[in-house]
Amino acid sequence: DSGVTQTPKHLITATGQRVTLRCSPRSGDLSVYWYQQSLDQGLQFLIQYYNGEERAKGNILERFSAQQFPDLHSELNLSSLELGDSALYFCASSLVAGVYNEQFFGPGTRLTVL
Amino acid sequence: SQKIEQNSEALNIQEGKTATLTCNYTNYSPAYLQWYRQDPGRGPVFLLLIRENEKEKRKERLKVTFDTTLKQSLFHITASQPADSATYLCALGILLGSSNTGKLIFGQGTTLQVKP
Repeated sequence: DSGVTQTPKHLITATGQRVTLRCSPRSGDLSVYWYQQSLDQGLQFLIQYYNGEERAKGNILERFSAQQFPDLHSELNLSSLELGDSALYFCASSLVAGVYNEQFFGPGTRLTVL
Repeated sequence: SQKIEQNSEALNIQEGKTATLTCNYTNYSPAYLQWYRQDPGRGPVFLLLIRENEKEKRKERLKVTFDTTLKQSLFHITASQPADSATYLCALGILLGSSNTGKLIFGQGTTLQVKP
């Protein structure tokens, strides 16, 4: 158990809908990362937050947004969902924002868009 | 184009042997490289980090090498056990701008099967 929690575990929704995925980092970790893992694209970095501020951006679509709250939990919002958004979404956390840090991954949220 | 390649075919080895996994990349200049283990349906677990100025890193039965000239990393598991069976992901650490910020670019992973 990495200490990172994600809810919900599974989510099934329809195209065009909006969903929110939630992540609580390990106790003491200030940085949160979001990743998408699909069979064809592999594990793709979406976005990083550090102590409430956006730190780095990856291949995040404009339909997706994220934020980190004062209690350090983070939410990833996915809107206007398409079939291709079906994937495993992982949250990871690390103690600080900088590079060379190991990241601790949560168990993931499996999103199915029908 | 930029690519990061790991063996797409599963690696099958006998218990007790050394498993060697490769990670090759093109058109990236990583400052560091990490290896993660992923079991089916679970999140990746960090194993080792090696910086661009380091040639080799060891941790218990694990060894990683990093050759920036060949643009390759090798990941070794010695005295392999059936419990080592999993998918192993290589991740390039790419620095962004001048601040201490970076992102990880993951390979597709190699599945290792250790037979008793």
